[in-house]
Amino acid sequence: QKEVEQDPGPLSVPEGAIVSLNCTYSNSAFQYFMWYRQYSRKGPELLMYTYSSGNKEDGRFTAQVDKSSKYISLFIRDSQPSDSATYLCATRSNTGNQFYFGTGTSLTVIP
Amino acid sequence: DTGVSQNPRHKITKRGQNVTFRCDPISEHNRLYWYRQTLGQGPEFLTYFQNEAQLEKSRLLSDRFSAERPKGSFSTLEIQRTEQGDSAMYLCASTGVGSRVTGELFFGEGSRLTVL
Repeated sequence: QKEVEQDPGPLSVPEGAIVSLNCTYSNSAFQYFMWYRQYSRKGPELLMYTYSSGNKEDGRFTAQVDKSSKYISLFIRDSQPSDSATYLCATRSNTGNQFYFGTGTSLTVIP
Repeated sequence: DTGVSQNPRHKITKRGQNVTFRCDPISEHNRLYWYRQTLGQGPEFLTYFQNEAQLEKSRLLSDRFSAERPKGSFSTLEIQRTEQGDSAMYLCASTGVGSRVTGELFFGEGSRLTVL
């Protein structure tokens, strides 16, 4: 079983829509959860970071972790064409040595 | 902070040839990671260094792959006797003691390998 599972999509939405991206993880000991955004032919860049359960908001982006169900979510409000990218969920070991990535969800926001 | 730099950005080679990629991490970062990414997949862990010590290597990594980080600065990833299945994007990332709290990996732009 992979450490992180993610629906690969692709996902296509109209501009202004609310986008929901989801992942599950396998190890209940994981505490740190991240979302990376990757534009085509570029390296991933950190978008959001959360520790343990709860929500974290940054502008139009909200990251949510539900440890009881081992579920990670990213919500994008008022989606823009510039949000079109692949979104990778990730977690890391508590020692900080190992990072585990989902397969990525490809998002296209249509103007 | 000039970010993580990788060279070359794209390498086309014939099957059986050797290739080497270089990564220059953010200067104050002591940890350096190599990942491989194929189309439609997330980054797959290959190996990581803390300073000059290679602390972990993926069990999936063939003996044809070797990585070094002399003096704990830049790192090289060499692939010997390349095969078509090696075609992928090779990503380097670094993180430092300060970044450990946020868990942020800083990625380079990647080196794309095409094996003909």
